[in-house]
Amino acid sequence: DGGITQSPKYLFRKEGQNVTLSCEQNLNHDAMYWYRQDPGQGLRLIYYSQIVNDFQKGDIAEGYSVSREKKESFPLTVTSAQKNPTAFYLCASSSARDYEQYFGPGTRLTVT
Amino acid sequence: GQQVMQIPQYQHVQEGEDFTTYCNSSTTLSNIQWYKQRPGGHPVFLIQLVKSGEVKKQKRLTFQFGEAKKNSSLHITATQTTDVGTYFCAASWGKLQFGAGTQVVVTP
Repeated sequence: DGGITQSPKYLFRKEGQNVTLSCEQNLNHDAMYWYRQDPGQGLRLIYYSQIVNDFQKGDIAEGYSVSREKKESFPLTVTSAQKNPTAFYLCASSSARDYEQYFGPGTRLTVT
Repeated sequence: GQQVMQIPQYQHVQEGEDFTTYCNSSTTLSNIQWYKQRPGGHPVFLIQLVKSGEVKKQKRLTFQFGEAKKNSSLHITATQTTDVGTYFCAASWGKLQFGAGTQVVVTP
């Protein structure tokens, strides 16, 4: 069964803690993306990667970090420097840049 | 920076009626994609338009790309309760830029 998995579905953290969100895909896609969605808002690009060991900042990268050590995996770390981390985080992948994106089910992060 | 504007932001539709949502850019696009996100869910790809003036249909959904490749529309006929959700356009200038979406509410 091909697709994208994100875990966990819900995550709660205390302010000041770093937290890492998992994203795995078995679609053999080269490109992977992280988006943030706030209530009633569109999708804002945090980071994207077009190939292993390479990634680019999106529109709102401050306070976030990523790695792409394997083609299948693109974890996102929300650091304590992110001022408003509570949001819905979506991971996506595509076979190449500009191609249709497949989204994971998302992780709802709440920081108190 | 480059932006894509979607209108309307909200759309209340009576079941059985038609409606249209629009996506506009100030610059020429290489392609445009449409996604649907059900309440509580994640975006799901619907279609991609690449050619100037292109029209594609999926059952009751009709997608159109403008002649100048600066705008696009999604028209839904005979709206059903299953059409509830937020429809996003995503424009490409080298990387995908999502619009803010049109949230559709259907009343029976």
